[in-house]
Amino acid sequence: KQEVTQIPAALSVPEGENLVLNCSFTDSAIYNLQWFRQDPGKGLTSLLLIQSSQREQTSGRLNASLDKSSGRSTLYIAASQPGDSATYLCAVRKGYTPLVFGKGTRLSVIA
Amino acid sequence: EAGVAQSPRYKIIEKRQSVAFWCNPISGHATLYWYQQILGQGPKLLIQFQNNGVVDDSQLPKDRFSAERLKGVDSTLKIQPAKLEDSAVYLCASSSLDSLDNQPQHFGDGTRLSIL
Repeated sequence: KQEVTQIPAALSVPEGENLVLNCSFTDSAIYNLQWFRQDPGKGLTSLLLIQSSQREQTSGRLNASLDKSSGRSTLYIAASQPGDSATYLCAVRKGYTPLVFGKGTRLSVIA
Repeated sequence: EAGVAQSPRYKIIEKRQSVAFWCNPISGHATLYWYQQILGQGPKLLIQFQNNGVVDDSQLPKDRFSAERLKGVDSTLKIQPAKLEDSAVYLCASSSLDSLDNQPQHFGDGTRLSIL
């Protein structure tokens, strides 16, 4: 059974700092991995999707990497801003099976 | 493009009562998902529809939960009777096609259900 773990559970950083969020998964035979953002009281917004054949994806200040063989992904946020404060969720998919989510990392960026 | 619409946003009921949630996916999206997100957890898939057919309902507690997607567009999720452990946010998501084409899922803002 696939399990997804996100570390740390919560993170507080000063504005402007670069930071890394970690995601690990137990079954490396995945089809893709997605990073989502969830604001309080809101649904999930897809940030980046990495196919199993890819090593990384970039969007603006966000960069996600994937090391399938070791079962790890990282989300790098450059020059963090207070508006980046949210919960970040990682999810993996294996074929025609549901997305399996981690519990998320709650990020606070302090001005 | 309009996003995934869900209603109501909040619902408070007593245990053993029934409740229904509604979802309208993004226009043209063939695949619709219902997730349950308990506080502090990631979402868990309850049911997936492809057009108006069920693709996966393996994690749906069928003794109390039911869902339908008439005409392959909007969908309703019902709980009857509700239990205390059903307190959660119920999220609806849609995607263009579930053919392993790496299309992301688009989520609504969810319905927050509290059981007293």
